[in-house]
Amino acid sequence: KNQVEQSPQSLIILEGKNCTLQCNYTVSPFSNLRWYKQDTGRGPVSLTIMTFSENTKSNGRYTATLDADTKQSSLHITASQLSDSASYICVAGDSNYQLIWGAGTKLIIKP
Amino acid sequence: GAVVSQHPSWVICKSGTSVKIECRSLDFQATTMFWYRQFPKQSLMLMATSNEGSKATYEQGVEKDKFLINHASLTLSTLTVTSAHPEDSSFYICSAQSRRQGGSYNEQFFGPGTRLTVL
Repeated sequence: KNQVEQSPQSLIILEGKNCTLQCNYTVSPFSNLRWYKQDTGRGPVSLTIMTFSENTKSNGRYTATLDADTKQSSLHITASQLSDSASYICVAGDSNYQLIWGAGTKLIIKP
Repeated sequence: GAVVSQHPSWVICKSGTSVKIECRSLDFQATTMFWYRQFPKQSLMLMATSNEGSKATYEQGVEKDKFLINHASLTLSTLTVTSAHPEDSSFYICSAQSRRQGGSYNEQFFGPGTRLTVL
């Protein structure tokens, strides 16, 4: 069964600190891995999209990694800001253009 | 670029009434649009895929007669919740798909969502 699991479920860190969010997926045939940021009461915003041949992709203070062999991805946030407080959702795409959504990690940045 | 809007952003209605939600791609043509719903503390759940000029494809368990989808143009799709009931209260999000030329995936751009509350 295709599925995406994220950890931790929630995370609280102090402003300025770094953090890493994890994503494990079981999707076949696998095509791409996406990370979205969703603010409360808003639609998701794309952070990164990586194909199976890419290992890392950055978007400002966000850096995503992908290991297609172990079926794992991570999202690293550097020098966190209060505006980073949101849910971060990992999504795996298969070769049939279907998206399998993770449940998300709720990140809270405290001053 | 790649902006998607939704209208209204929130709506409150009485049980039994119908509610229409619009989704527009503002600066690109979207041959495919998607409708999702999201319950509190849960991730997005795909309801249906809408292709311009053809009937929508609904996910298993989604009632097509209750959630009417029309994709009349390359920039507009509408979702009508018919005879709404309190259990239909949810956050509805649309997305519009842009095809990456020669790529292996299609990127989706999401609207800001519509909060529906049925009393």
